[in-house]
Amino acid sequence: GDSVTQMEGPVTLSEEAFLTINCTYTATGYPSLFWYVQYPGEGLQLLLKATKADDKGSNKGFEATYRKETTSFHLEKGSVQVSDSAVYFCALSTPSGSARQLTFGSGTQLTVLP
Amino acid sequence: NAGVTQTPKFRILKIGQSMTLQCTQDMNHNYMYWYRQDPGMGLKLIYYSVGAGITDKGEVPNGYNVSRSTTEDFPLRLELAAPSQTSVYFCASSYPRDKNQPQHFGDGTRLSIL
Repeated sequence: GDSVTQMEGPVTLSEEAFLTINCTYTATGYPSLFWYVQYPGEGLQLLLKATKADDKGSNKGFEATYRKETTSFHLEKGSVQVSDSAVYFCALSTPSGSARQLTFGSGTQLTVLP
Repeated sequence: NAGVTQTPKFRILKIGQSMTLQCTQDMNHNYMYWYRQDPGMGLKLIYYSVGAGITDKGEVPNGYNVSRSTTEDFPLRLELAAPSQTSVYFCASSYPRDKNQPQHFGDGTRLSIL
C-alpha cells in the first residue's frame, strides 16, 4: 500500500539556520504531495503542495520539489524563525474508493531556539 | 470564517462509556473525514463520507461508528470506550471535484480513556 517515510525528529535549530526535513514515499499511480504544519494545540494546516513531477510548492519561505525519480518531497527553508516551531507532516493523496485518501508520515517536531 | 469546528476539545471517559465527538463545517464541502493521531505517529483515517447519507471505512474503523445526515455534520461515535482509543481525534473536510484541494482540519478533540 501507499506509505510516507519522514525524517525522524525532533529537530532543534538556532534561529536563521537552514532547515531540511526529508520525506520519501511509496505509491501506485501519480499521487499529489503535501506538507502540513501543526502548531501546538491546533489542527493541521496546509503549508504547500505539488501535484506532478518537478513541481515546486512554496509558502512562507518553505519549499519542496516533487522528485518522481527519487520518490521524494523534501521540505526546505533557508532561514528558520522561532515562529516556525511546530510539527511538520508530509502526506500524499491518492484515490481511495469514492474519495481521495491522505496518507501521512509520522511527523517531525521542529524547535527553533532564539 | 469558522471552517471545521470540533467539540468537545477535551474529554475523559471511563472504560465502557460511550460518547459522540461532534464535527461541523460551514464550507459546503461534500467530503468529510475522521482521523486519529497517536503520539509520535501520523494521522490514521477512521471513517470518511463523500456526501450526506454515504459513509465508508478507513484504515482503523473498529470500535467507531459514524453517520452523515447533513452536509455540515459528521459525528463520530464511540460505543464502548477502550484504553486503546485514547488519542487525539481530528475531523477534516474537502471539496471533491479537485483532487489537489487540501483537506481542512479542525483543532482536534483530545480523548483519554481511563
